Amino acid sequence: SQQGEEDPQALSIQEGENATMNCSYKTSINNLQWYRQNSGRGLVHLILIRSNEREKHSGRLRVTLDTSKKSSSLLITASRAADTASYFCATDENRRGYNKLIFGAGTRLAVHP
Amino acid sequence: GAVVSQHPSWVICKSGTSVKIECRSLDFQATTMFWYRQFPKQSLMLMATSNEGSKATYEQGVEKDKFLINHASLTLSTLTVTSAHPEDSSFYICSASPQLAGRYSYNEQFFGPGTRLTVL
Repeated sequence: SQQGEEDPQALSIQEGENATMNCSYKTSINNLQWYRQNSGRGLVHLILIRSNEREKHSGRLRVTLDTSKKSSSLLITASRAADTASYFCATDENRRGYNKLIFGAGTRLAVHP
Repeated sequence: GAVVSQHPSWVICKSGTSVKIECRSLDFQATTMFWYRQFPKQSLMLMATSNEGSKATYEQGVEKDKFLINHASLTLSTLTVTSAHPEDSSFYICSASPQLAGRYSYNEQFFGPGTRLTVL
């Protein structure tokens, strides 16, 4: 079953605006990751935040993690039309020898020029 | 580095036929490969996990005899959709985890570009 749930399901903004997407999960995690997917394409890894971290930055991306609320947010600042894509959070579930990723439902972001 | 390819990128087949999808790690050896399925505007759902040289582990609700997985080498895993039906039409994505943590942190997964299967 999916662990991560994301909101909003869809987000439409103008270029230059900031976009915030939220993700909630149900069980304890080791880390949480955010991925991007362009329509009909594979996933691109954006950023990973560990359970002992609260905030992480990468370029125009800012990710926060609140383990007490079991939630994370992804902020894209100064959005561009090229940021139009679906964004997924993924949490890990420990299996023997590897981590299983459980993906959220995703947020479809549309950035209009 | 850490490139994963899939072949074919898209395939159209007739109902009842079998389709094989390949997933290759191009510049690293993958102990574990994962197969996901994604319906339009939905998230990725893990179908199965394959480890080189051993049987795949299927998620609950995924038919083993329907979706055959073979992980014959550290760089290649294949997914065969047997006796495909229109409801099998979907986007199939694989990912691979490096054999050694080494230059990669934790058990990172690298994703292929996906294969779109359409069954007529």
